[in-house]
Amino acid sequence: QVQVVESGGGVVQPGGSLRLSCAASGFTFNSYGMHWVRQAPGKGLEWVTFIRYDGTNENYADSVKGRFTISRDNSKNTLYLQMNSLRPEDTAVYYCAKDGGGLDLWGQGTLVTVSS
Amino acid sequence: QSALTQPASMSGSPGQSITISCTGTSSDVGSYNYVSWYQQHPGKAPKVMIYDVTNRPSGVSDRFSGSKSGNTASLTISGLQAEDEADYYCNSYTSIGTWVFGGGTKLTVL
Repeated sequence: QVQVVESGGGVVQPGGSLRLSCAASGFTFNSYGMHWVRQAPGKGLEWVTFIRYDGTNENYADSVKGRFTISRDNSKNTLYLQMNSLRPEDTAVYYCAKDGGGLDLWGQGTLVTVSS
Repeated sequence: QSALTQPASMSGSPGQSITISCTGTSSDVGSYNYVSWYQQHPGKAPKVMIYDVTNRPSGVSDRFSGSKSGNTASLTISGLQAEDEADYYCNSYTSIGTWVFGGGTKLTVL
């Protein structure tokens, strides 16, 4: 079954850290770039970060640059998002998405809540 | 990295056609044919409807079509159906190697 499944969300205090995972199956993971996209409650989609198929290049939105790090382990078919120095405005559902024809495969998302 | 500009809401009657616009700049929409459109129903993950400006993924109805002129991309939905009621987002690659979404358009089928 072709799918990506996010995990690792939860409640964290401001200034804290969290690592999200995205497990891929049913396609050749090491052939595709991958994105993280987030959606704050009741708001629109916000692109967060992208990593090339081979992990050699990453790009970040200004809102997370220097705080978030994207990585991947192609041997485990898994994408990661390390989130540090979290702020209340980082509260959102975080989706991973495969870069095929557009972002052509999305997970169900994992909710991150930053609150004291 | 300013968001692309979309109308906040649009509406149409069943059977009608509507066109949602997505305005960017010469640093994103105007310079690359990497514009895509996403449909999102409440509580669901987004689904790609159009990619690379005009291409429709397998399984997406041919009632959906995309185009671009200058810094503005458009999504046209013909023969509106009740199931088309959803939020729609455009997305573009940018000159600094990032991607940017539009603010989203809430489509109501009357």
